[in-house]
Amino acid sequence: NAGVTQTPKFQVLKTGQSMTLQCAQDMNHEYMSWYRQDPGMGLRLIHYSVGAGITDQGEVPNGYNVSRSTTEDFPLRLLSAAPSQTSVYFCASSYSKHLRPQHFGDGTRLSIL
Amino acid sequence: GIQVEQSPPDLILQEGANSTLRCNFSDSVNNLQWFHQNPWGQLINLFYIPSGTKQNGRLSATTVATERYSLLYISSSQTTDSGVYFCAVVGGGADGLTFGKGTHLIIQP
Repeated sequence: NAGVTQTPKFQVLKTGQSMTLQCAQDMNHEYMSWYRQDPGMGLRLIHYSVGAGITDQGEVPNGYNVSRSTTEDFPLRLLSAAPSQTSVYFCASSYSKHLRPQHFGDGTRLSIL
Repeated sequence: GIQVEQSPPDLILQEGANSTLRCNFSDSVNNLQWFHQNPWGQLINLFYIPSGTKQNGRLSATTVATERYSLLYISSSQTTDSGVYFCAVVGGGADGLTFGKGTHLIIQP
């Protein structure tokens, strides 16, 4: 039982490049979400999904796309990377968005040059 | 949206000391969690505690939902307790966790 797995762990991009951050969970959780963490701050919600085929925006969605074709996977896409997207990205999952603890992956550290 | 404030922002203690971390929130919540972010950046879920009191070894937490605060107690601190402690809630109509800015704890040997 691996929990929440994020890949890659580190990535450096040039401004304007696109990439996909991968997130997979093996706990059959319906709710999955993406957060970003900037220095000196807590995490902020980017996008979330309450089940396969259903996604919605969080607090800071601009510049990011998500899809949820399966229960297990929830990739985050950067369409055209900008230096302001330099951050650490965390994926999380739980049985529901309200009533259960959320489990986090180990994060992806992303630098945009 | 809901506001989450944590105090103190920084705390430096000697090994063996006890500490209390506080989390205040501005609206009713139906999910409150405490996390420890270790020096490697991993977020470890300590407690899921929307109300009441829980204990896990040297750590315990209490949430008084009616007064909109939660406390995390760490007893007999060890150097491995160092890191950032986050309080996060679901409430105020938000669809995910709203995090406080954390308490940065340093335990010196």
